Amino acid sequence: AQSVTQPDIHITVSEGASLELRCNYSYGATPYLFWYVQSPGQGLQLLLKYFSGDTLVQGIKGFEAEFKRSQSSFNLRKPSVHWSDAAEYFCAVGAGNNDMRFGAGTRLTVKP
Amino acid sequence: DTGVSQDPRHKITKRGQNVTFRCDPISEHNRLYWYRQTLGQGPEFLTYFQNEAQLEKSRLLSNRFSAERPKGSFSTLEIQRTEQGDSAMYLCASQSGGAPETQYFGPGTRLLVL
Repeated sequence: AQSVTQPDIHITVSEGASLELRCNYSYGATPYLFWYVQSPGQGLQLLLKYFSGDTLVQGIKGFEAEFKRSQSSFNLRKPSVHWSDAAEYFCAVGAGNNDMRFGAGTRLTVKP
Repeated sequence: DTGVSQDPRHKITKRGQNVTFRCDPISEHNRLYWYRQTLGQGPEFLTYFQNEAQLEKSRLLSNRFSAERPKGSFSTLEIQRTEQGDSAMYLCASQSGGAPETQYFGPGTRLLVL
């Protein structure tokens, strides 16, 4: 079965600085990859997804992610973080069996 | 498109009581998923429906849990004889079609068992 690792439990960045959140997955075939964001007490909002094709995908709110098969990674990036980006970020991997697995999440704090 | 809605948003109950949560998916989404999320963790899959058929259940779904989607629209998740370990956020998601379509999540129901 597939699995996801988000190595960083908590990251703090200054407003305006760049951001990279790491995600590593384990799956034998080509995975379907997602990044979701969750604000406190809320559900999950899809930021972006990768199914196939171009390995650099653009999402909402200025986020992008790059699928690197050789590294089994799908890291999320943003060139300039805004205070409103403070939230919990979850990477998820899906497979053809409809079983989607989530990482434990990375909490982002933005310093003024 | 009004999104996925869940009711109630918060529930406090005493150990041993039964609770029921409701999820209304995006209209015409044929797949509906239930997840459980505990503090500091990502969502964990519980079960999913395609239309009214419950097609898969996680081993996390003990026999105290039951889910239904009687007409292929809204779904309910019932927990009988609640335990303190059931305290969590219960998330519902809906999806149009099968994998690899996107799952759209509701705001969740936060359950606290005292």
